[in-house]
Amino acid sequence: DGGITQSPKYLFRKEGQNVTLSCEQNLNHDAMYWYRQDPGQGLRLIYYSQIVNDFQKGDIAEGYSVSREKKESFPLTVTSAQKNPTAFYLCASSWGQGLPEAFFGQGTRLTVV
Amino acid sequence: SQQGEEDPQALSIQEGENATMNCSYKTSINNLQWYRQNSGRGLVHLILIRSNEREKHSGRLRVTLDTSKKSSSLLITASRAADTASYFCATDTGGSEKLVFGKGTKLTVNP
Repeated sequence: DGGITQSPKYLFRKEGQNVTLSCEQNLNHDAMYWYRQDPGQGLRLIYYSQIVNDFQKGDIAEGYSVSREKKESFPLTVTSAQKNPTAFYLCASSWGQGLPEAFFGQGTRLTVV
Repeated sequence: SQQGEEDPQALSIQEGENATMNCSYKTSINNLQWYRQNSGRGLVHLILIRSNEREKHSGRLRVTLDTSKKSSSLLITASRAADTASYFCATDTGGSEKLVFGKGTKLTVNP
């Protein structure tokens, strides 16, 4: 089955720790995205990548880092510099190149304990 | 900053009624899309309308786009309880794949 997979579904982090959220897609999509969603709120763009080995900051990139070493993978690291990391994180991918329909993973809920 | 702003923030209707949600955006766009999100899940693409289109239909969905007013509307006809979800608009602009979402409209359809 083609799709986009996020793991883990739930993640707990102690203050001061870095954590990495996984996002894998087998749709052969060029573009990938990370969004943050807070309760009752919309999606805010953290980072996006249009091609392998390239990525751009979104609107709320501070305290986050990404890599795009492989086309199918776009992991997000939430660093200790992110002061309020508790949120629902969504990864998405699209063909790009004028085909912007995005496919989403099921999300990772990160909680700081 | 979020490009799209949906209106209303919340909408409650009875089954069988029509639901209309609006989206306003700030800058010129290439495409505008509507997505649906069930609680605690990922988003699902519903429909895309390009900047040179004015209206598009898909099943019970009708989307309009007015680029002069920088606004779009999503109409769901003959709503069902299963339509209960949050609905988001998303826009992309020329030159990049950046995809920006609004804050969403939470629709409740009462049986």
